[in-house]
Parts: sequence; structure tokens; C-alpha cells
Amino acid sequence: DTEVTQTPKHLVMGMTNKKSLKCEQHMGHRAMYWYKQKAKKPPELMFVYSYEKLSINESVPSRFSPECPNSSLLNLHLHALQPEDSALYLCASSQDWWAGGDNYGYTFGSGTRLTVV
Amino acid sequence: QKEVEQDPGPLSVPEGAIVSLNCTYSNSAFQYFMWYRQYSRKGPELLMYTYSSGNKEDGRFTAQVDKSSKYISLFIRDSQPSDSATYLCAMSTNTGNQFYFGTGTSLTVIP
Repeated sequence: DTEVTQTPKHLVMGMTNKKSLKCEQHMGHRAMYWYKQKAKKPPELMFVYSYEKLSINESVPSRFSPECPNSSLLNLHLHALQPEDSALYLCASSQDWWAGGDNYGYTFGSGTRLTVV
Repeated sequence: QKEVEQDPGPLSVPEGAIVSLNCTYSNSAFQYFMWYRQYSRKGPELLMYTYSSGNKEDGRFTAQVDKSSKYISLFIRDSQPSDSATYLCAMSTNTGNQFYFGTGTSLTVIP
């Protein structure tokens, strides 16, 4: 299995809703990431988990709450979002946070397209 | 100044053309250089990566890194309509704990 699986693929939520995005990989990767991507923009790093511990939080508002229940799963809990939070949310994984060699680079999931109304 | 600069395009070429995509960067500590392809409404897919300077070839794709000029390129030979996508460059330092992405170049290959 060489994939990162994200669910749901699409999500529409109101500003008072609570929802969660899920990400799963079974490649044995020890680093997992959440990125946010707006249209025609590059991905922006939100969070990095390395060995199931939060290693980077790029000053993301507290309405986004990441969770890493185990080495294969990554969640992003959403609460009280704003319309400007509408974007493609990408999960990615890599062998290690500081990996080198032929397996360097991320494997991205297909993303969850989030619309906040 | 942004860490990584990439012309957003759009770039439109006829099928069979050679495509050249480029990025420049300012941080001389960057050592890992990557190219990702992103189809519409999909996540980025790693195409090529290189370490330090030099060339790397994989089928119709060639990645070049010129560290002296802080310039990287991706060449696509015999371009196909299926190559139509946005191409993102990305790079990081030896510690590899932060990836810096270009803005992406939108490519359309016309049959």
C-alpha cells in the first residue's frame, strides 16, 4: 500500500459545526503532515507530527485541532470555522521528518475539499 | 523576497513539444529539490527529486539543479495531453524539516 487515504473527499459545514478530517497511511511512515491549499496557491504547512508527537504548529488558529491516535492515523478536528477557511486540506506522510535517500519527499493524499458556509 | 519563486504561467504547448519549467530560490542552504505534479482537485504527486546539484532523468522527465545560480528546472520531452497539470517545485535544507513550495506553474498540452 503506497497511498495516503483522506476522508471525506468533500465536506460542507456551517460555522457552528464540529467536524473531523481523517488521514490514514500504511507505509510505515513516521512523519505526517497537514497542509492547507487555497486555489492557485501552493500548499501551506499547518502541522507536523513526528513519531506521533506534534513537532510543528505553524501558528494555526485553535479552531483547528490535530490529533495523531497512532502511527498510521492523523485527524484534524474542526470547530467554529470561518468562510475563509474554505480550502483543500491535504494530508501527507514521509519516512521521517528529516528523511533522505531515495524515499525522500512527501506522499500526499487527494485531499478534503472543505467549504464553510 | 519569497524563498522560492516560480512563474505561475499559464503555459500552453502543442502535443509533442518540449516543456521547460523553472524555479529560482534564495536560500543557499537548500539541498533537496523536488517536483510535484498536481491534477485539478487532487493532491500533489512526487515526480522527481534531486539532492544537491546535477541532473536526474526518469522517462520523459529530466530534473536539473544549478546551485551556483540557485535555479532548478524540469524538462518534459514529447509532452502529452495527460501532462496537463500544475507543477510545483519544492525544496528543503539538509535537516529537511520544512518544505518550501513554489506557487506552481499551470501547464496545458494541446492535442
